[in-house]
Amino acid sequence: TQLLEQSPQFLSIQEGENLTVYCNSSSVFSSLQWYRQEPGEGPVLLVTVVTGGEVKKLKRLTFQFGDARKDSSLHITAAQPGDTGLYLCAGRGYQKVTFGTGTKLQVIP
Amino acid sequence: DTEVTQTPKHLVMGMTNKKSLKCEQHMGHRAMYWYKQKAKKPPELMFVYSYEKLSINESVPSRFSPECPNSSLLNLHLHALQPEDSALYLCASSPRGTDYYEQYFGPGTRLTVT
Repeated sequence: TQLLEQSPQFLSIQEGENLTVYCNSSSVFSSLQWYRQEPGEGPVLLVTVVTGGEVKKLKRLTFQFGDARKDSSLHITAAQPGDTGLYLCAGRGYQKVTFGTGTKLQVIP
Repeated sequence: DTEVTQTPKHLVMGMTNKKSLKCEQHMGHRAMYWYKQKAKKPPELMFVYSYEKLSINESVPSRFSPECPNSSLLNLHLHALQPEDSALYLCASSPRGTDYYEQYFGPGTRLTVT
């Protein structure tokens, strides 16, 4: 069974602070996606990383895929209240996708 | 058109009712998915359709019955549900077959079973 553990589970920070969310597994994934989900809505795809060591930037968000393709991180610089939500990583394996346990982020104005 | 739509947004039904959830995408995606999500938990895969054929059923109870009338539409028929089936039901699609590459989610249907 493939598991994706995210840490931290909950994070409450002040506007303007930086943060990093981690997504870890003992399994190798062919690609990994990050999603943000707001209450009562569906997850919105933020990025897909495919190559080990790959780094992608989306404005103030930086995503990195581990060299061994077993883990990933999401770094947010100068967090804004609009960044509030549930962040989910999802690893794609053989004919299966595994969602991470989720990180709930609250950015306080 | 780059979105997945779901109707209804909210549904309240009794345990003896029959209802259906609808999902639609016009992105030409060839795989469509149903997920169930409980509060504060990640989505749980229920069914996968690839090229309009059911390819994966994650041991979902028969009171949930999926249907894919064409490549753009996905339905989930509900019958004799239990209160524990109350959840957010999400539909998703992805460009290729069952490789789960870049799934695009709809806004979900919030289902309450009374």
